[in-house]
Amino acid sequence: QSALTQPASVSGSPGQSVTITCTGTSSDVGGYNYVSWYGQYPGKAPKLLIYDVIHRPSGVSSRVSGSKSGNTASLTISGLQAEDEADYFCSSYTDSSTLVFGGGTKLTVL
Amino acid sequence: QVQLQESGPGLVKPSETLSLTCIVSGDSINNYYWSWIRQPLGKGLEWIGYVYYSGSAKYNPSLKSRVTISVDTSKNQFSLKLRSVTAADTAVYYCSRVMYSRGRFDPWGQGTLVTVSS
Repeated sequence: QSALTQPASVSGSPGQSVTITCTGTSSDVGGYNYVSWYGQYPGKAPKLLIYDVIHRPSGVSSRVSGSKSGNTASLTISGLQAEDEADYFCSSYTDSSTLVFGGGTKLTVL
Repeated sequence: QVQLQESGPGLVKPSETLSLTCIVSGDSINNYYWSWIRQPLGKGLEWIGYVYYSGSAKYNPSLKSRVTISVDTSKNQFSLKLRSVTAADTAVYYCSRVMYSRGRFDPWGQGTLVTVSS
């Protein structure tokens, strides 16, 4: 199975919004509403931010949101803060009943 | 709240078997899926596989021939065995609870670095 495609890096200034994309195929992202997003803060293990495309676990900031259109899922962080600087990964269920991650995106807060 | 802790050797010789255990505390291992994920230093995440508390497992096709994930409900832990390792298997290995078979890894263990070297 191939990794989902994410941009290597994105950046934004404090207060702005940034969107990270995750592109797959109709066999994974496009075929199911089982996309999740994880933030990996420096030196830490990944943390769940979004599940089932749009749902936010309790305790995750309301500035974080998810969406999907066709074979591409997106994670948007609004009101960017310095603490948002991290690596972000998407994951999807596939039609082989397996799970696959994206390559990861480094978010830099300017 | 549930917590996960990986344990095992930090150094494995090429061609040998990598063995890790994930101890689950704060919740029963029953009724959930449990997964291993790895991350080569400075690189992305790779799903290795998961096991259901009943013992049934699913693996990444690229690793399937070398991987076994098992569960021990009496000890509230699950384990990873990766056979015939090479330097390409050097990575931080994470264990995680999977809320259902279609994804949602939460929470994660802190991770353990395993280096394959003679």
